[in-house]
Amino acid sequence: AQSVTQLDSHVSVSEGTPVLLRCNYSSSYSPSLFWYVQHPNKGLQLLLKYTSAATLVKGINGFEAEFKKSETSFHLTKPSAHMSDAAEYFCVVSDSNFNKFYFGSGTKLNVKP
Amino acid sequence: NAGVTQTPKFQVLKTGQSMTLQCAQDMNHNSMYWYRQDPGMGLRLIYYSASEGTTDKGEVPNGYNVSRLNKREFSLRLESAAPSQTSVYFCASSEEGAQGSYSNQPQHFGDGTRLSIL
Repeated sequence: AQSVTQLDSHVSVSEGTPVLLRCNYSSSYSPSLFWYVQHPNKGLQLLLKYTSAATLVKGINGFEAEFKKSETSFHLTKPSAHMSDAAEYFCVVSDSNFNKFYFGSGTKLNVKP
Repeated sequence: NAGVTQTPKFQVLKTGQSMTLQCAQDMNHNSMYWYRQDPGMGLRLIYYSASEGTTDKGEVPNGYNVSRLNKREFSLRLESAAPSQTSVYFCASSEEGAQGSYSNQPQHFGDGTRLSIL
């Protein structure tokens, strides 16, 4: 069975410092993995997607994520946080063999001035 | 470039009333989805339509019905609203991938309908 765990419900960083949002998954197959961002009162927007082409995936707004199969992780990082990064972030794992996908419970990122 | 459009944006209902939430996409996507988002629970899939003419239950379908009216439109109906259905509802769409797969395709979301049931 597939599942996805976002290890932190809230993360707080200072502007200009690195961001790390953690995501672990369990999968019996080679999954596709996604990160989405949700700003207040908005829908989710795709940040980046992993589909086995390269383990380090670059997304929009300076975010990137690294797929580590041995650790079953897909953590989201950004070298320097900006105030506009304050939002909620969702990790999603999909299993194309069964056309199923699973959302994590979300991590709220707070960026302090 | 509208993407996914949801109407209405806000609605207040009384218990027992019925209502239909509308969703339309202009990206020629095959697959469409309805989610609800509640605090601390992330997004939960209510129903989805893998392609025009098909609909399937998701994780939390009870109390809801859906209609895939055509390729563009996918509506969600609450026949008899209950306070437990107070939530933010999101519609999304995605392209069809290789061999009819859709779960490995990015989803495009609307801005949501905020529904309160008293």
